[in-house]
Amino acid sequence: EVQLVESGGGLVQPGGSLRLSCAASGFYFSGYFMTWARQAPGKGLEWVATIKADGSEKYYVDSVKGRFTISRDNAKNSLFLQMDSLRAEDTAAYYCVSGGARYFDYWGQGTLVTVSS
Amino acid sequence: DIVVTQTPLSLSVTPGQPAAISCKSSQSLLHSDGKTYLYWYVQKAGQPPQLLIYEVSNRFSGVPDRFSGSGSGTDFTLKISRVEADDVGLYYCMQSIQRPFTFGPGTKVDIK
Repeated sequence: EVQLVESGGGLVQPGGSLRLSCAASGFYFSGYFMTWARQAPGKGLEWVATIKADGSEKYYVDSVKGRFTISRDNAKNSLFLQMDSLRAEDTAAYYCVSGGARYFDYWGQGTLVTVSS
Repeated sequence: DIVVTQTPLSLSVTPGQPAAISCKSSQSLLHSDGKTYLYWYVQKAGQPPQLLIYEVSNRFSGVPDRFSGSGSGTDFTLKISRVEADDVGLYYCMQSIQRPFTFGPGTKVDIK
């Protein structure tokens, strides 16, 4: 059974930083692209960033480029999202998602990030 | 960016009756590799999204056959042949032919 468990969310002040983690199990983590997606409270879904299986390629939505960094540790079946210079509009539930270059199949339960003073 | 729209935004259905959700994209989702990158997800209350349909019409593992997807180019439809109480939720379509991958606004399905 595929399991994706996010952690690291919380309350942070504008301009602050947070590092999200995702522990993956139940599938061959090293063989899959991994993605972070988010959902602001009461809003729709937004793709944030994707990393290739071997970590050699990374893609970001424009609104987070230069502020967020996606990374992975295949030896530890883990995905990360370093979020710097956080803004109020980054407030959302962040989901760890497995899949391919162009699809998302399994989603974690999400971790809530709140950016507020 | 490709804009994805859905209609209706809300749907109330009698159990056992069919339902259909339309999804339109601002550009064709047909890739040069021959695949069309349109996906459907459902998000039930308090849960993360779940993949229902991939590449327009392929049901994901474990998805009941009363769910079907169709369409081409820029116009797509998700159909539920006989709605059940468990189908209540928010249904999203998503395009992945071009980054940023974008989702429709969601269609809320509930039971009459």
